[in-house]
Amino acid sequence: QITLKESGPTLVKPTQTLTLTCTFSDFSLSTSGVGVGWIRQPPGKALEWLALIYWNDDKLYSPSLKSRLTITKDTSKNQVVLTMTNMDPVDTATYYCARYQNWGSCWFDPWGQGTLVTVSS
Amino acid sequence: QSVLTQPPSASGTPGQRVTISCSGSSSNIGSTYVYWYQQLPGTAPKLLIYRNNQRPSGVPDRFSGSKSGTSVSLAISGLRSEDEADYYCAAWDDSLSGHVVFGGGTKLTVL
Repeated sequence: QITLKESGPTLVKPTQTLTLTCTFSDFSLSTSGVGVGWIRQPPGKALEWLALIYWNDDKLYSPSLKSRLTITKDTSKNQVVLTMTNMDPVDTATYYCARYQNWGSCWFDPWGQGTLVTVSS
Repeated sequence: QSVLTQPPSASGTPGQRVTISCSGSSSNIGSTYVYWYQQLPGTAPKLLIYRNNQRPSGVPDRFSGSKSGTSVSLAISGLRSEDEADYYCAAWDDSLSGHVVFGGGTKLTVL
């Protein structure tokens, strides 16, 4: 059974850098056609896609957040790390990671439980 | 404001058929597959429909998807109380070197 779990700080201060880790099981990022994506959801608001990393290390970022995001993978540890710089209170959200497949799709399945990150001084 | 446009709310009574629309443009819905996600209260989203109209295993056939041009619809027949959730459409957008876009979500209330 594929599972993913997000981990990281629950509270960050404005201007700080957020580092989130997605640890997954029962699939490998060395498998062709597989990737991991990050999506966030501010409280009471819609989903917003953030970034993708693919098995071949192709990466893609939200155009509106590209300058602040970095996504990396550690295939041996079954982990994907997302960093977001210069955090602001508007970045307060639940951050989800999800298994991704078929580059050029929106196939995210399954999702992790999400982790709520609050940005406040 | 989301690239894909969904009505903020929809409602129906048990047993009814409801549809949720999602409209986009030629750079997203008009040129690629659409995906639907269901988010039950307090939980993570779950893939409901992939490639416009395909259901993952375990998703009841009460849920169906269709596409016409730059718009898609999610239909739920035989509405049940447990269908009360937020529904999101998603598509790949070919602009700006390609990226994922989500709709603004539709909150479905079962009356």
